[in-house]
Amino acid sequence: NAGVMQNPRHLVRRRGQEARLRCSPMKGHSHVYWYRQLPEEGLKFMVYLQKENIIDESGMPKERFSAEFPKEGPSILRIQQVVRGDSAAYFCASSYQGDEKLFFGSGTQLSVL
Amino acid sequence: AQSVTQLDSHVSVSEGTPVLLRCNYSSSYSPSLFWYVQHPNKGLQLLLKYTSAATLVKGINGFEAEFKKSETSFHLTKPSAHMSDAAEYFCVVSGSSGNTPLVFGKGTRLSVIA
Repeated sequence: NAGVMQNPRHLVRRRGQEARLRCSPMKGHSHVYWYRQLPEEGLKFMVYLQKENIIDESGMPKERFSAEFPKEGPSILRIQQVVRGDSAAYFCASSYQGDEKLFFGSGTQLSVL
Repeated sequence: AQSVTQLDSHVSVSEGTPVLLRCNYSSSYSPSLFWYVQHPNKGLQLLLKYTSAATLVKGINGFEAEFKKSETSFHLTKPSAHMSDAAEYFCVVSGSSGNTPLVFGKGTRLSVIA
């Protein structure tokens, strides 16, 4: 049973480009969470999704950031017109039916040049 | 609102000596509390979880944590450190609702000296 899969592991973008981060939850999990980790900081909650539904996006910046979790396929975190301050590690986690026990992926390290 | 404070950003111990990583929490609900570990370039792994059952919680790899409501603390301990314990440790709090996102502390980096 594969764990939470994130790709790519490393993503380099120039300012103004778009970044797409993908997350495939564990098999049987229908809840996905995105967190961002800045250097020397803990993880900051961004968004919580179920299939085709955004449950809580209180941690998501109002502009340039969006997330989806379609009926089929992985969850996508999309960052438009990236800026240097978007450089961070982005972690995805999944859970079974919103259970508090989260399983985390290995993260995507986004670097904006 | 929930929050956690990890009192040490870095802890260094010798192999074979005890580990203590300190965490204080604040929650307006009856909290669930967690410790996660992050090894370099890896995802986070759940070490243990407290959910209002026994106040002393045993986790994986010999770690345990004690919930002390009077002190609002949830410190992580291990009797004898191993080199493989070197990692970043996060104390995490959640509210009583399953929809409440986890709130992470800033982390404590544990170094183990041979």
